[in-house]
Amino acid sequence: QVQLVESGGGVVQPGRSLRLSCATSGFPFSQYTLHWVRQAPGKGLEWLALISFDGTNKKYAESVKGRFTISRDTSESTLYLQLNSLRPDDTALYYCVREEHTLYAFDSWGQGALVTVSS
Amino acid sequence: DIQMTQSPSSLSASVGDRVTITCRTSQSIPYNLNWYQQKGGKAPKLLISSVSTLQGGVPSRFSGSGSGTDFTLTISRLQPEDFATYYCQQSYGPPYTFGQGTKLE
Repeated sequence: QVQLVESGGGVVQPGRSLRLSCATSGFPFSQYTLHWVRQAPGKGLEWLALISFDGTNKKYAESVKGRFTISRDTSESTLYLQLNSLRPDDTALYYCVREEHTLYAFDSWGQGALVTVSS
Repeated sequence: DIQMTQSPSSLSASVGDRVTITCRTSQSIPYNLNWYQQKGGKAPKLLISSVSTLQGGVPSRFSGSGSGTDFTLTISRLQPEDFATYYCQQSYGPPYTFGQGTKLE
């Protein structure tokens, strides 16, 4: 079955960097657009970034543009999110999400990776 | 960017009630409106895509409707397992914004 498993979360000081990984399985990785979505504690969902199936198209939310970078490794079926210049308001659970292109919707989600930005 | 206005933010209801959640977008989107359910710290689950397409395994008491800028999620007869937070989302174009969420309690 479809699986998305995030890793790489943790506690980091403001201004530092972190890289999240999302290992996927159960579907043809190279055929799907993938996204990152985050959820701050007790808050709603915030879309962050997408990368097209072939990695050529990337889009970002204004709140992370220039600080976060999305990438993918087809050989490893893994999605990444590089988080730089982290701020306390980046503290959140970060979800890796698959977009089902026939539905234009997010049909599969990982369990999330918790990032806490604190001194 | 397309702004989403979801209401109400919370809703008190009882088992057996009919419940309606609304979502308004700042510009017209043809059919790219989705609904998600999130329970207790778990990842969101896709309920309805493209305004009204129920996902596999989702009970038929859930339905979606609307067009243009105004959309609704209706639960016809609330069951105990339906108490959760619901989010609308537009997938018309990035950023793929979500509504603020409706907590059903």
